Amino acid sequence: SQKIEQNSEALNIQEGKTATLTCNYTNYSPAYLQWYRQDPGRGPVFLLLIRENEKEKRKERLKVTFDTTLKQSLFHITASQPADSATYLCALEGTALIFGKGTTLSVSS
Amino acid sequence: DGGITQSPKYLFRKEGQNVTLSCEQNLNHDAMYWYRQDPGQGLRLIYYSQIVNDFQKGDIAEGYSVSREKKESFPLTVTSAQKNPTAFYLCASRPNLAGGYNEQFFGPGTRLTVL
Repeated sequence: SQKIEQNSEALNIQEGKTATLTCNYTNYSPAYLQWYRQDPGRGPVFLLLIRENEKEKRKERLKVTFDTTLKQSLFHITASQPADSATYLCALEGTALIFGKGTTLSVSS
Repeated sequence: DGGITQSPKYLFRKEGQNVTLSCEQNLNHDAMYWYRQDPGQGLRLIYYSQIVNDFQKGDIAEGYSVSREKKESFPLTVTSAQKNPTAFYLCASRPNLAGGYNEQFFGPGTRLTVL
């Protein structure tokens, strides 16, 4: 069956550093992959979408890569800030979007 | 403002009672979804609907029911058959899937607690 894994449940980094979150998938060949941000007690908010024929996509301090050979996506936040602290979810297209369990990022000042 | 509304934000239910969670969107989206979120479990799909008067079971549909009589509305009923209903429930929508590559818009969620 299709499986999505976000390797770390929690990631703690210092302000100003680059945060790197990993999303791996198996038994699947998605046409695209999405990343969402979720704050406690709130619904997820869309951040970025990357297609299978795109190696990299950027939006301000965010960068996503998509390696269909490794079946992996990396999500980077450069110059991280305490306001970036949240849970980040990756999602793949199925009959509906299939979400990973998320990685909770904590940025300390 | 366009968006998705869910009500109520907090809901308490006695064991053995059915309860209905509301989800309304004014984004003119065709597809709507219900997810359940438990700590450490991520989002799990309960039901989804791609068009009015049609809906499909997701991964954890047992103990839940839905209807899609209007494009804007996709209510979820948590029945007494759901053994562990205490969770955070999220409704989402997105445009027609035919074009693909569509982001999903989420509501603010309803936290259901069974007493």
